[in-house]
Amino acid sequence: LAKTTQPISMDSYEGQEVNITCSHNNIATNDYITWYQQFPSQGPRFIIQGYKTKVTNEVASLFIPADRKSSTLSLPRVSLSDTAVYYCLVGVNSGGYQKVTFGIGTKLQVIP
Amino acid sequence: DTEVTQTPKHLVMGMTNKKSLKCEQHMGHRAMYWYKQKAKKPPELMFVYSYEKLSINESVPSRFSPECPNSSLLNLHLHALQPEDSALYLCASSPLSGSTDTQYFGPGTRLTVL
Repeated sequence: LAKTTQPISMDSYEGQEVNITCSHNNIATNDYITWYQQFPSQGPRFIIQGYKTKVTNEVASLFIPADRKSSTLSLPRVSLSDTAVYYCLVGVNSGGYQKVTFGIGTKLQVIP
Repeated sequence: DTEVTQTPKHLVMGMTNKKSLKCEQHMGHRAMYWYKQKAKKPPELMFVYSYEKLSINESVPSRFSPECPNSSLLNLHLHALQPEDSALYLCASSPLSGSTDTQYFGPGTRLTVL
């Protein structure tokens, strides 16, 4: 399984755009990149997923360069409620289940 | 219904007790997962069931025994646990729809072993 590396923590002021970069140097050809958000004592929640280039949904954007060895989660205009841990995962459905491993995650603290 | 439910929310048990955690989803997902999460650590995969059959056991001690009675239900039977097994136990499910997939997580069961 591809290993991911993220910053352990980040601080941001309310209203700013936050970019969290994840390195996955040994990503496999078939692997997808997925980001989850987790609040304390809750289960992780899916944010966004992509394979290459750029993906955008109502909450975030995901930028993936051509070599796919890294990816950047972009959160526009963060609020206090975005304070959480953000996990980057790489994996693919194989053998009838999703093979992914959670990295250490990035703890985002939004400051008023 | 796009929800994974877990019961109980909190559980306190002694080292000689037998208890069970329950997970349920009605999204028609065919893969279900158990994770263990210690404080300030990422979730660690324990078991994966695919089409109601055990596909992955990540070298979990036998005092944890999973069961998948049907495609909507996943249990984790606990027996003779140790205090270091205290953690948040998360259940997840995924649809297995092609090569890309996402996992839907439940709120977890907070387990304390005395």
